[in-house]
Amino acid sequence: GENVEQHPSTLSVQEGDSAVIKCTYSDSASNYFPWYKQELGKRPQLIIDIRSNVGEKKDQRIAVTLNKTAKHFSLHITETQPEDSAVYFCAASITMMGGTSYGKLTFGQGTILTVHP
Amino acid sequence: DAGVTQSPTHLIKTRGQQVTLRCSPKSGHDTVSWYQQALGQGPQFIFQYYEEEERQRGNFPDRFSGHQFPNYSSELNVNALLLGDSALYLCASSLGSNQPQHFGDGTRLSIL
Repeated sequence: GENVEQHPSTLSVQEGDSAVIKCTYSDSASNYFPWYKQELGKRPQLIIDIRSNVGEKKDQRIAVTLNKTAKHFSLHITETQPEDSAVYFCAASITMMGGTSYGKLTFGQGTILTVHP
Repeated sequence: DAGVTQSPTHLIKTRGQQVTLRCSPKSGHDTVSWYQQALGQGPQFIFQYYEEEERQRGNFPDRFSGHQFPNYSSELNVNALLLGDSALYLCASSLGSNQPQHFGDGTRLSIL
C-alpha cells in the first residue's frame, strides 16, 4: 500500500522567514495531495491541495509543488506568522482506479512548525 | 452552514466493552470517512462510506464496523475494546468519495 514520509518532524523559524515541509510517496498511482494544519486540540484543517495534473498551486502565502517523477511534494509558507504555528500533515490518495472513485488518505507523520515572534 | 459534527467529544470505556461514535457530515456532503489518530501520529484511514455502503477499508480488524444512514450521517462501532484503541477518532466528509475531505473535531476515546 501507499507510504508517505514527511520531513522534517520539527521546524523552528523566525517570524517573516519561509518554511518548507517535504513529503515523498511510494505509489506512483497517487494523484491527489492535500495538506492539513492541526492546531493543538483542534480538527485538521485543509489548507491547500494539488492534483497530479498540476505542478504548482498557490494561495496567498501558501504554495504546494509536486514532482511526479521523483514522487515528492512540498509545502511552502512565506512570511511566516506566529499563528502559523501548528502541526502540518501531508497526505496522498489514489482517487480513481478501474473506473471507481476512492477517498482513502494516507498521511505523513506530521511536522511541528514553531514560528518565533 | 454547519461543518462536520461528531459526538460525543470524550468517552471513557474499559477493555472488552463496545462503543459507538457518531458523525454528521457538512451540509451538502454525501460521503463520510473515519480515521484513527494516535497521539503524535498522523490520522490512519479506517473506512469510507458512500451511498450507505462501505466503499473502501483500511488495515483495521473486523472489530471496527460502521454504518451510513439515508441522511448521510454515520456511525463507527468498535467491539471488544483494547487498550490500543485509545485515540482520537476523526470523521471527515466530502461531496463524493474522491473530493476534498473536511474533518470534524473528533471523539477522544480512552480505554482503561
